[in-house]
This record gives sequence, C-alpha cells and structure tokens, in this order.
Amino acid sequence: DAKTTQPPSMDCAEGRAANLPCNHSTISGNEYVYWYRQIHSQGPQYIIHGLKNNETNEMASLIITEDRKSSTLILPHATLRDTAVYYCIVRASTTGANSKLTFGKGITLSVRP
Amino acid sequence: EAGVVQSPRYKIIEKKQPVAFWCNPISGHNTLYWYLQNLGQGPELLIRYENEEAVDDSQLPKDRFSAERLKGVDSTLKIQPAELGDSAVYLCASSSGVGEAFFGQGTRLTVV
Repeated sequence: DAKTTQPPSMDCAEGRAANLPCNHSTISGNEYVYWYRQIHSQGPQYIIHGLKNNETNEMASLIITEDRKSSTLILPHATLRDTAVYYCIVRASTTGANSKLTFGKGITLSVRP
Repeated sequence: EAGVVQSPRYKIIEKKQPVAFWCNPISGHNTLYWYLQNLGQGPELLIRYENEEAVDDSQLPKDRFSAERLKGVDSTLKIQPAELGDSAVYLCASSSGVGEAFFGQGTRLTVV
C-alpha cells in the first residue's frame, strides 16, 4: 500500500506556481520523499527527491516540513506541458524490499491557459 | 544517452494467446523493474531484478506470468495464456542501485 496521501486533483493558471501537497505521516527516518510525474501515454518521469532538507533542481522545488510528515512539490512557473499526474512516494534509501517505488493514485494537475 | 527501450509499443491479442514484452534498460543499470498500470491507477510492481536475480516477485501472478533477465541486461515479460483482465500498460524501469528509476514508454496490451 502507498504510504502517502494526495488530493485527487488540482488546477492552476499557466505561468503561476503550482504547489502540490503530500502527506506521509508514517514516514521512517531512512525514507526519502520522491516525486514522479506521468504525462498522458508516457512512462513516469523522475522529478526530485529529498530526505530532510529542501531541494531544488531545474524542474521543481521540494519543501519538506520539519517533522517530515508532509511535503510540497513546487513548480515555479507552470506551463501547459506540466499537465500530468504527479506521484508522491516514500522510499527507503537502502537496498531490499522497502527500496521499491510504490505508487498511489497521484494527483492530477491541470494547467489552464 | 538512450533511455529505457520497450517493445512493442502496442499489442492486441485474442484471449488465451501468449504474449511477450521486451525491455532494454539503460546501460549500466543493474536494477530492473516491471510494473503493470491499469487505467486510472498508479503503476504496480510485478517484479524487480538485481542483475539477473529476481529479488522481489511477490506480486507476479506466477500461474500465467513469467519473466527473465538473461545476463543481467535485457528482460522479457511473458503472459501465457492472456486473459481479458490483463489488458493494461506494462512498464519497464531501470536504476543504478537505489538511485532514481527511469521508465520506458510502456507497452499497451489489449486482450480481446
């Protein structure tokens, strides 16, 4: 079972920031938060991951709360091509069964013109 | 760098027929995954390989599904015989150890 909870959908205006929330209240100390997205008819695409500190790359920023029970993926300037299903996943850092990626239903982001 | 390559992209077969999917992972990636994705759902893990060893196949329906990864590189997933409920997208992914996984575009199977 997925260890994260995400709202089913949200939308935002093109050019504005999209803030995608995720709850992971049972996260363990050695588990990372990963974000993937899946554009229609394509395979999932890695976006970003983090453990404790906030992370930023060319695609997005990841803000993790101090207690690590929730996080927010931020797309700073959403475009129509960002319309996709976004998956928040917790994953152990070590090898073994807990290192697998377990997907939930994700959140569908619709970017409107 | 080439990504994960899957073939065929689409497959339509009649029920009770066999079908096979092929995956070529990213060069140097020792971990390979097969996922199944039903419409409107997230991907579900079928099997995970570390090199040529299947280390997690607990979700693979072994009565009709089989997989192999010879020489720890390419992998094949087979269904025999296929059932109507097997219609789905089959995704292959690879990673270097516990690094981020890279996915192929998937094979969309339709069983009629």
